[in-house]
Amino acid sequence: QSVLTQPPSASGTPGQRVTISCSGSSSNIGSNTVNWYQQLPGTAPKLLIYSNNQRPSGVPDRFSGSKSGTSASLAISGLQSEDEADYYCAAWDDSLNGGVFGGGTKLTVL
Amino acid sequence: QVQLVQSGAEVKKPGASVKVSCKASGYTFTSYGISWVRQAPGQGLEWMGWISAYNGNTNYAQKLQGRVTMTTDTSTSTAYMELRSLRSDDTAVYYCARAIAAADPGGDYWGQGTLVTVSS
Repeated sequence: QSVLTQPPSASGTPGQRVTISCSGSSSNIGSNTVNWYQQLPGTAPKLLIYSNNQRPSGVPDRFSGSKSGTSASLAISGLQSEDEADYYCAAWDDSLNGGVFGGGTKLTVL
Repeated sequence: QVQLVQSGAEVKKPGASVKVSCKASGYTFTSYGISWVRQAPGQGLEWMGWISAYNGNTNYAQKLQGRVTMTTDTSTSTAYMELRSLRSDDTAVYYCARAIAAADPGGDYWGQGTLVTVSS
C-alpha cells in the first residue's frame, strides 16, 4: 500500500493527451513539492518533473506537471510510442520524515 | 557528464549482509547528497534513505532503521549502502540517485541499479 495513490494503468493513442493523477495528504503533497519519474522497461527511473512543474534539461515540453492541494497530475500531450513506460510520483512526507512514492502507473500507447 | 555507476549483482543467503557501492563522477561529490531507492520484482519504488556527501548526515526509512547503514568516501566519490540481516523480501534492484536536497525523495541522476537476490 503506497502512501501516494496513482491509478495502476492509463492508455492513449498516438497524438492524444493523457493525464496521470497522484493523490496524497497534508503531510506530503500538501506541504512539499512533487517529482515525477519515468521508468522505461528494464531501466532506471529518470527524473521527468521536479518541484511540481519544472522540467529538467532535455525533457520535452510535451510533459507537464501541476499540483493543487494534496493532489498532483502529470500530463503528456502529443503521445508517442516511446512514452510507453511506468510513471511514478514522489514527495517528501513530513510525518514519516522520509520520501514516499506512488505505486506507479503503467502507460500503454495503443 | 554526471554519472553514477553501481557495483554488480549479488546473491546472498538469508541473514547475511550486502554492501552496494555507487561511484559518482562529473560533478562535485560533496555538493549533493545520495538517495537510495529499491524496487522489488514487479513492484514500485521504495525510498530507503539519504546521506549527505558533505558531512555524512543520514536519514533512514523507519522500516529499515537498525538494518541499514549508508556511508560515503569523499576521496573516491563513492557512496555505499549496507543492508544487514537480509530476508527474502529484501530481494530487489537497489538504486542510488544524486539528491538535490535533504528532502529529495529521489534524485536527478540515477545509477543503473544493482540486483540483490536473497535466497537459501
